Amino acid sequence: DSGVTQTPKHLITATGQRVTLRCSPRSGDLSVYWYQQSLDQGLQFLIQYYNGEERAKGNILERFSAQQFPDLHSELNLSSLELGDSALYFCASSGTGVNTGELFFGEGSRLTVL
Amino acid sequence: EDQVTQSPEALRLQEGESSSLNCSYTVSGLRGLFWYRQDPGKGPEFLFTLYSAGEEKEKERLKATLTKKESFLHITAPKPEDSATYLCAVQARTGANNLFFGTGTRLTVIP
Repeated sequence: DSGVTQTPKHLITATGQRVTLRCSPRSGDLSVYWYQQSLDQGLQFLIQYYNGEERAKGNILERFSAQQFPDLHSELNLSSLELGDSALYFCASSGTGVNTGELFFGEGSRLTVL
Repeated sequence: EDQVTQSPEALRLQEGESSSLNCSYTVSGLRGLFWYRQDPGKGPEFLFTLYSAGEEKEKERLKATLTKKESFLHITAPKPEDSATYLCAVQARTGANNLFFGTGTRLTVIP
């Protein structure tokens, strides 16, 4: 158990809809990362938050947005969903200090868009 | 642009048959190179961090090494429970702390 909790584990929805994925980081971790993993691609970095502030952005579509709340949990919002958005979405957290590349991943939210 | 290439894409080994996985990388100043293990339907699990060429790290049957252009994950006398996808990632010295991942090597160890 990594200590990172993601909900829901599975989600099936239709094209054009909007969904929200939730992540609770490990206790004490200030950084939260969101990654997308699809069958034909590896883990693609979407966005990072640190203590409520956006720290870095990757290949995140304009239809996607995220935020980190004062209690450090984070939400990833996906709107106007397309078939190609079907993927595993992972949240990860890390502590501060030297080992910031040691990420603790949740078990992911599997999104299926029909 | 940061780039990570892993080979082979898939590898089947007999139990006890040692081998190596390769990770070639291009990054504008390496802060760290990371190896993760991912089981089907699960999130990646951290294995090793390597910071500089010549560095080696070991854990049970796994040993990771680093040169200026690539990293190897050596698996000695693997067991079926070592079957997983092994991911390599780099973190650049400049910019944010996010990791750039390769697509992984899917390892199957046959009893």
